[in-house]
Amino acid sequence: DAGVIQSPRHEVTEMGQEVTLRCKPISGHDYLFWYRQTMMRGLELLIYFNNNVPIDDSGMPEDRFSAKMPNASFSTLKIQPSEPRDSAVYFCASSVWDKPYSEQYFGPGTRLTVT
Amino acid sequence: AQSVTQPDIHITVSEGASLELRCNYSYGATPYLFWYVQSPGQGLQLLLKYFSGDTLVQGIKGFEAEFKRSQSSFNLRKPSVHWSDAAEYFCAVGPSGNTPLVFGKGTRLSVIA
Repeated sequence: DAGVIQSPRHEVTEMGQEVTLRCKPISGHDYLFWYRQTMMRGLELLIYFNNNVPIDDSGMPEDRFSAKMPNASFSTLKIQPSEPRDSAVYFCASSVWDKPYSEQYFGPGTRLTVT
Repeated sequence: AQSVTQPDIHITVSEGASLELRCNYSYGATPYLFWYVQSPGQGLQLLLKYFSGDTLVQGIKGFEAEFKRSQSSFNLRKPSVHWSDAAEYFCAVGPSGNTPLVFGKGTRLSVIA
């Protein structure tokens, strides 16, 4: 299996620009999670989906952030407009329900730098 | 509220020495506990997990962890550290693997010759 795929791996953008991060979960997985990692706050959940439906978006910082999952094999996290404080590593993870003791598989992350 | 504390921000051990990374959690119900490892510039890889049963769990790369309910701890151990074990280690807790996990701040492990 290819694992969780994220693109781009690195993104450098200027403040005010729109940024779109992409994630392809492992085939057959029905849960998808977006986490953000910063030095100050560590790893935090932004939002997660089950069967393409958002379940909990309470971790999304503000209206500038939005996430979609149009189908089982693709999700996007969009920041518009971006700000320097959004600089972080954004991870996507997926899991599957039918395993007795499930676990989350993480992608390699997207390192976002907003200047 | 759920929380995870990893008291050690950075640990340095000699290659071949034993290792113990500490993890304390706060959770209202039966916890589902994980240890992940993150190499520089990489994603998180699961080392091991605990939900129930034997409180000593074995993971990949020769790691093990022991769940102690009375101490709310889930410490990670390895009898003999290799230079390739140098990485950041995260402890996490949640109600299951299909719900959001709460992570500790991580412990960075350095290995010296």
